[in-house]
Amino acid sequence: GAVVSQHPSWVICKSGTSVKIECRSLDFQATTMFWYRQFPKQSLMLMATSNEGSKATYEQGVEKDKFLINHASLTLSTLTVTSAHPEDSSFYICSARDRGKPQHFGDGTRLSIL
Amino acid sequence: DAKTTQPPSMDCAEGRAANLPCNHSTISGNEYVYWYRQIHSQGPQYIIHGLKNNETNEMASLIITEDRKSSTLILPHATLRDTAVYYCIVRVPYNTDKLIFGTGTRLQVFP
Repeated sequence: GAVVSQHPSWVICKSGTSVKIECRSLDFQATTMFWYRQFPKQSLMLMATSNEGSKATYEQGVEKDKFLINHASLTLSTLTVTSAHPEDSSFYICSARDRGKPQHFGDGTRLSIL
Repeated sequence: DAKTTQPPSMDCAEGRAANLPCNHSTISGNEYVYWYRQIHSQGPQYIIHGLKNNETNEMASLIITEDRKSSTLILPHATLRDTAVYYCIVRVPYNTDKLIFGTGTRLQVFP
């Protein structure tokens, strides 16, 4: 149980385009979902927290207009990187949890901006 | 959430027990200890968590000292597939729900 699916697993796109990443909880209802970013040889950095039906809470230094998060249902959250540039290239990972239970993570999306 | 301290790296022979320590000397009474691991190029995987009693599941055992200032994650029979970065995190369930990842311990299991 507690499976989180993330799609796509890998994406390459041109600078200036927008990229959408999906995160789904497959066998449980996720009251909260989280988005992390990880640069090579570094630890995970929390970007934002989203609760179903409400606006996401962004960590300090994360541009909410650049990283749009939508958590429209209890099983789906999306992260859209708008007008992506090479410095946005990273490994993006989502996690989901039901209230009071451990977070479970997706397998990540490797984003490369050319 | 309380800060944790872990050794940056450890080695373990395949088939032997891997004991990964974590110090959390500033842990408060209602904070739990969580362990996750991240295999290269994958998302973190939940392993186990506990408050003060020792815990065991199909993946590992968690030993928490009586004063709760440190804990040890035990992989009883390490395999090559256990090579990963292991993160020890302390937090209060229901509160903020954030997981703040430190640098973790890079465990290398060798044949």
